[in-house]
Amino acid sequence: DAGVIQSPRHEVTEMGQEVTLRCKPISGHDYLFWYRQTMMRGLELLIYFNNNVPIDDSGMPEDRFSAKMPNASFSTLKIQPSEPRDSAVYFCASSFSLGGAGTEAFFGQGTRLTVV
Amino acid sequence: AQTVTQSQPEMSVQEAETVTLSCTYDTSENNYYLFWYKQPPSRQMILVIRQEAYKQQNATENRFSVNFQKAAKSFSLKISDSQLGDTAMYFCAFMTARYGSRLTFGEGTQLTVNP
Repeated sequence: DAGVIQSPRHEVTEMGQEVTLRCKPISGHDYLFWYRQTMMRGLELLIYFNNNVPIDDSGMPEDRFSAKMPNASFSTLKIQPSEPRDSAVYFCASSFSLGGAGTEAFFGQGTRLTVV
Repeated sequence: AQTVTQSQPEMSVQEAETVTLSCTYDTSENNYYLFWYKQPPSRQMILVIRQEAYKQQNATENRFSVNFQKAAKSFSLKISDSQLGDTAMYFCAFMTARYGSRLTFGEGTQLTVNP
């Protein structure tokens, strides 16, 4: 398997523009997570899905952020409109449940977002 | 709520020597997992080692081993025979099945291996 695939790897956009980050999880994994990494706040969970259903989105900072998982092999994280404080590295990760418990998460290479 | 604390923002070690990174956590759960992830400058998050809380035996992976003290809620990582390629940010992370496999991360420790 190629691992978790994220695109784009880098994104530079102007304030106010819509940004869409994409993720393809590892085949067979039933959990998908979106994390954000900043110097100030470290790694924080934004939202996660189980079997394509959003389970907890309490980490999504504002209504400007939305995430979807239309099928088991694809998820998007959208920011509309984007602001400079959204600049961060966004990671997608996936894992599978084993006997009701989760296993380690495998991470994509992240998308570095810069909003100017 | 679960919290993870790494009290060492930065550490350095000479090549071939041994270094220990500290991590403490707080939880009321009894069934959980602990991980160490490595993030080199490439920013890829790489799993180093995992420990199941119900296992008393400390996990080992080649040069990497943990000292898991459940009562003390401590989970340190020992790197033996340090190599230049071990230079990275190391994150301690906690997971419990109750919250659907999501990870809670510590602040990270930047490890530099000097030649």
